[in-house]
Amino acid sequence: DQQVKQNSPSLSVQEGRISILNCDYTNSMFDYFLWYKKYPAEGPTFLISISSIKDKNEDGRFTVFLNKSAKHLSLHIVPSQPGDSAVYFCAASRSNDYKLSFGAGTTVTVRA
Amino acid sequence: DADVTQTPRNRITKTGKRIMLECSQTKGHDRMYWYRQDPGLGLRLIYYSFDVKDINKGEISDGYSVSRQAQAKFSLSLESAIPNQTALYFCATSDTTSGGWQYFGPGTRLTVL
Repeated sequence: DQQVKQNSPSLSVQEGRISILNCDYTNSMFDYFLWYKKYPAEGPTFLISISSIKDKNEDGRFTVFLNKSAKHLSLHIVPSQPGDSAVYFCAASRSNDYKLSFGAGTTVTVRA
Repeated sequence: DADVTQTPRNRITKTGKRIMLECSQTKGHDRMYWYRQDPGLGLRLIYYSFDVKDINKGEISDGYSVSRQAQAKFSLSLESAIPNQTALYFCATSDTTSGGWQYFGPGTRLTVL
């Protein structure tokens, strides 16, 4: 049973617009959340993270929002660029073991 | 040079064959992990090791075994490969100061016929 869910397998957005990726989790013990980005033929690379003591973390064009009561997090990319076209994985862990549980991924395509 | 390397990058084998996938890292991390990626399922943890003498099963360890030969090396074996082990396999590393932040290798695409 997947504890981290990304219900949108794909997202298409025009260059310059906002991309919003969503992620839901079921395990209330998770207290650390991450987003990874993956290009074809490469391994996932870390993008941004957030601790459960925060509700927002921003890094350049990337912002992650956490809603603990809803067990929901989202990744905003503003503005979207062609190089953002990739698969994005949401992941979660408990700080006492740091094993990651991943969502199924969302494929983002940024159109010129 | 890549911090986390995996060999081979691609492998095609037949049902019943023994296969070993190797992972090496130069990051000096103590923790290493093996995942498999399947379409629609994301990455699932097979085995993990927090130091050379520590090996733990992940959520899908059946049909797999691992060996931590040194801090820098972590191998995954399929003793008798079956077609549903066809997947993309990733090795990852982390250390005690990076929290859940793991560094991934480039992956091995394994096809079992």
